[in-house]
Amino acid sequence: QKEVEQNSGPLSVPEGAIASLNCTYSDRGSQSFFWYRQYSGKSPELIMSIYSNGDKEDGRFTAQLNKASQYVSLLIRDSQPSDSATYLCAVGGGSQGNLIFGKGTKLSVKP
Amino acid sequence: EAEVAQSPRYKITEKSQAVAFWCDPISGHATLYWYRQILGQGPELLVQFQDESVVDDSQLPKDRFSAERLKGVDSTLKIQPAELGDSAMYLCASSLGRGTGGRLFFGEGSRLTVL
Repeated sequence: QKEVEQNSGPLSVPEGAIASLNCTYSDRGSQSFFWYRQYSGKSPELIMSIYSNGDKEDGRFTAQLNKASQYVSLLIRDSQPSDSATYLCAVGGGSQGNLIFGKGTKLSVKP
Repeated sequence: EAEVAQSPRYKITEKSQAVAFWCDPISGHATLYWYRQILGQGPELLVQFQDESVVDDSQLPKDRFSAERLKGVDSTLKIQPAELGDSAMYLCASSLGRGTGGRLFFGEGSRLTVL
């Protein structure tokens, strides 16, 4: 069974700080990696995708991928209370063929 | 921006009753997914369609769940009979291309409560 592991949290950071969210995956053949944000009672929304090793930046968000370590992370700079949500790591393109989600990390940004 | 439509948003039913959820993906999206998300867990794939064909239903409890996408557009997910453990959010998603390299667009979900 292919797995995607995340620390469930909650991760609490003060407003303006950097939030660091981590994810590991078991399928070495995985090719696509996504971070979704999910507010309570709402559906997931894509915030970042990354396909190759290294960093990808989009505004306050940076996704980092290390395929050798089977590790993907999301950094949120200048965290805002509106960033408080559950962040889901999703991995796809591996032998199992479909997108596998982690259980999510709950982030709380305190004013 | 085009959206994935789902209905109903909320459904409360009693154990052993039948339940049905409907999903209309973004126009032109060939791939449609049904996910189940239990509170505090990540979404779990139930079934994936490519056009009207089932690509993956390995995690679908086929004794009580069924899904169809007859004309390769909208889709229905049915549960009969519903059990207490089926209480969850049922999410429909679509993507433009085949496989999982592309972005998934999620609907707002259908929250099921089984009493």
